[in-house]
Amino acid sequence: QQPVQSPQAVILREGEDAVINCSSSKALYSVHWYRQKHGEAPVFLMILLKGGEQKGHEKISASFNEKKQQSSLYLTASQLSYSGTYFCGTGSSNTGKLIFGQGTTLQVKP
Amino acid sequence: NAGVTQTPKFRVLKTGQSMTLLCAQDMNHEYMYWYRQDPGMGLRLIHYSVGEGTTAKGEVPDGYNVSRLKKQNFLLGLESAAPSQTSVYFCASSYTGRRSPLHFGNGTRLTVT
Repeated sequence: QQPVQSPQAVILREGEDAVINCSSSKALYSVHWYRQKHGEAPVFLMILLKGGEQKGHEKISASFNEKKQQSSLYLTASQLSYSGTYFCGTGSSNTGKLIFGQGTTLQVKP
Repeated sequence: NAGVTQTPKFRVLKTGQSMTLLCAQDMNHEYMYWYRQDPGMGLRLIHYSVGEGTTAKGEVPDGYNVSRLKKQNFLLGLESAAPSQTSVYFCASSYTGRRSPLHFGNGTRLTVT
């Protein structure tokens, strides 16, 4: 079952902050975050693992609440380049399967 | 180092025709995935593989078959294309699956008329 992302869309002015949430009905082992620009492939941002380990870009921050099966991506002091669609992907078993949410579209305006 | 390469980039099929999409990676990754992307639906997993010679079903496997005869290649087949299979198809690979980043190919845009 797909994880649920919220909000579906958000519009910001440069310099403003945003939070994108990802929620699953299954116990999670890992949460991935990716950003996709229009017409391009998704690009890796961050992985959060059960137990607290994180891998990703220094300028991106995120949280992973294992008990609530939720993750949040924090975008601070947004730049025009942050515009795109953000996807969370969840891994809930030992099979290697990774399921993505429906995406959150972020638009940053000057 | 090419990363993940998908061929073809674009294809138009008529209903009932068959085709194979090729994904090749040169990073020695164990895990490979096929996703389809439709507006408002996100990325939906079709099939995936955890190593050479293995395949497993994802969320939307019906109408598709896959093969992983060589570690570097993951093929997606459509035996009898339907208009509902019009989509953008992305292949991805990963070193250890859920613990490692996915590297995506540039996608294949398929239209079935």
